[in-house]
Amino acid sequence: DVKVTQSSRYLVKRTGEKVFLECVQDMDHENMFWYRQDPGLGLRLIYFSYDVKMKEKGDIPEGYSVSREKKERFSLILESASTNQTSMYLCASSRSFGNTIYFGEGSWLTVV
Amino acid sequence: SQELEQSPQSLIVQEGKNLTINCTSSKTLYGLYWYKQKYGEGLIFLMMLQKGGEEKSHEKITAKLDEKKQQSSLHITASQPSHAGIYLCGADGLAGNEKLTFGTGTRLTIIP
Repeated sequence: DVKVTQSSRYLVKRTGEKVFLECVQDMDHENMFWYRQDPGLGLRLIYFSYDVKMKEKGDIPEGYSVSREKKERFSLILESASTNQTSMYLCASSRSFGNTIYFGEGSWLTVV
Repeated sequence: SQELEQSPQSLIVQEGKNLTINCTSSKTLYGLYWYKQKYGEGLIFLMMLQKGGEEKSHEKITAKLDEKKQQSSLHITASQPSHAGIYLCGADGLAGNEKLTFGTGTRLTIIP
């Protein structure tokens, strides 16, 4: 089975802190994604990566950056957390475009 | 405007009853995915449809993609409490690229 693991399920951070959300997949997938999910807005794509060190902006990249130094790991970085970044963050991966996207369990981030 | 419209937004069904959730787009759907999400958790992949008229079933859940590839339905037969959750449809190619776009979801509640 495909396993997408997000390192933290629940985080509480202060405004202005730097936040790292880590995601690891064990299926040698080319593509990895970060989404955030908010009530009434559904899932919105923040960034995705189709190869090591490659990244592309999604629909809402502002305030976020990503890092993919190894194929299995995709990190989401909030350089200076703000309260409007309080959300559920979901990592996902797929073998390639057009193939099934598998999701992790999600990380609940609260910024106070 | 939403590129993928899901209906209904919420559904309350008595245990044992059948139900249908719809996912509609104004554009051709190249790949249509159905996911289920328990509150506060990640998305679980259910089924993927790619061909017009295609139908797939898993246990008591059946998904169909219409011939025009603009509408999909998810049908649950003899609903059970384990079916409760949020159902999301996702589609390839709507944004003019290969990113997956999601509907806002349908919240299903099963009452005994």
